[in-house]
Amino acid sequence: DTGVSQNPRHKITKRGQNVTFRCDPISEHNRLYWYRQTLGQGPEFLTYFQNEAQLEKSRLLSDRFSAERPKGSFSTLEIQRTEQGDSAMYLCASSLMDGPYEQYFGPGTRLTVT
Amino acid sequence: SQQGEEDPQALSIQEGENATMNCSYKTSINNLQWYRQNSGRGLVHLILIRSNEREKHSGRLRVTLDTSKKSSSLLITASRAADTASYFCATDANSWGKLQFGAGTQVVVTP
Repeated sequence: DTGVSQNPRHKITKRGQNVTFRCDPISEHNRLYWYRQTLGQGPEFLTYFQNEAQLEKSRLLSDRFSAERPKGSFSTLEIQRTEQGDSAMYLCASSLMDGPYEQYFGPGTRLTVT
Repeated sequence: SQQGEEDPQALSIQEGENATMNCSYKTSINNLQWYRQNSGRGLVHLILIRSNEREKHSGRLRVTLDTSKKSSSLLITASRAADTASYFCATDANSWGKLQFGAGTQVVVTP
């Protein structure tokens, strides 16, 4: 399967712990996006990369959140000192550059903070 | 914050009927995209329409865009039970791919 993959699929953590999610985009896609989705809502943009450069971050992304895309391949999203409000589905998507192009979404990582 | 707003929030129809949902947005756009989400397959891209286009077709899907009214509609013809899903419109202001999604329309198609 050559789609977008995300790991883990589910994560349960206690408040105050750090968590890290991984996204592997479609190999030829230069752009990679992170979104967050809560129940009953559409996805909300968090940040995006063009190759290894992080070009934009949403105001939703507090200082506790950091994302990287070393070497322009996979990406990680880390949340430090998790809070209950961080509980959500974290979605990763990728697309070709020089768009506009459709985005291909991964299955998501569901985070539950207890 | 959500840029788009879908209407209706929920729609229940029988197989074979058409389903129409609308999307309104607030600021100017480069393109508008429609996505489908169900529990089995996650978010799947359906169709992209550029700001200089007025109508686009893909199989049983028809999308219209009226930039003067800042609105779009998605029509699914001859619906099937497999069309049961949430449908989201997403606007892209500058083609960078920073999509702003609405809250979605939940569609249930009964056999």
